[in-house]
Amino acid sequence: AQSVTQLDSQVPVFEEAPVELRCNYSSSVSVYLFWYVQYPNQGLQLLLKYLSGSTLVKGINGFEAEFNKSQTSFHLRKPSVHISDTAEYFCAVSGRNAGGTSYGKLTFGQGTILTVHP
Amino acid sequence: EAGVAQSPRYKIIEKRQSVAFWCNPISGHATLYWYQQILGQGPKLLIQFQNNGVVDDSQLPKDRFSAERLKGVDSTLKIQPAKLEDSAVYLCASSLDPSPNTEAFFGQGTRLTVV
Repeated sequence: AQSVTQLDSQVPVFEEAPVELRCNYSSSVSVYLFWYVQYPNQGLQLLLKYLSGSTLVKGINGFEAEFNKSQTSFHLRKPSVHISDTAEYFCAVSGRNAGGTSYGKLTFGQGTILTVHP
Repeated sequence: EAGVAQSPRYKIIEKRQSVAFWCNPISGHATLYWYQQILGQGPKLLIQFQNNGVVDDSQLPKDRFSAERLKGVDSTLKIQPAKLEDSAVYLCASSLDPSPNTEAFFGQGTRLTVV
């Protein structure tokens, strides 16, 4: 079974400061990792994803994440945040399970609320 | 390109009543997902369709929840009878195929409150 743990439920930061949102996963099979952002009363929007290859992945809005297989982590970072980055961020994992099914299904973490203060 | 459309946006019902949600995926998307997002939690998959066939419904409470995608396009999710713990946002998502290379696009969701 796959699971995702987001280590911080809320992260407050000041505008233009760097931020890191932490995500750890567990899976018994090959994984694909994602970060989604959800603005109030909106659906989820894909920020970035790791499928294979380079462990440093760049996404939209200046975000990036690094896949660390030995630490089973996929932390999201941004060097300088803006007020408009205030939202909830979800880490998610997908992949084939042991039975070879559920291909495409996303398992989400609990979410991290990022609040950027002026 | 039009996004994933869901209706209604909000619904308030009393416990033991029934309710239905509708989803119109992006044109041409064969894969459709329904997720349940309880306040303070991440979305949880209820059911996954590939065209009009069910791929995964292992977490769907089948004694009260049902879903269909008869023509492989639109989908409806029904709850009958509703319980207080069904209060959540129900998100529909679609993608061209179930490959992780293919982005899943989410609708704005239907917020259900059961009182």
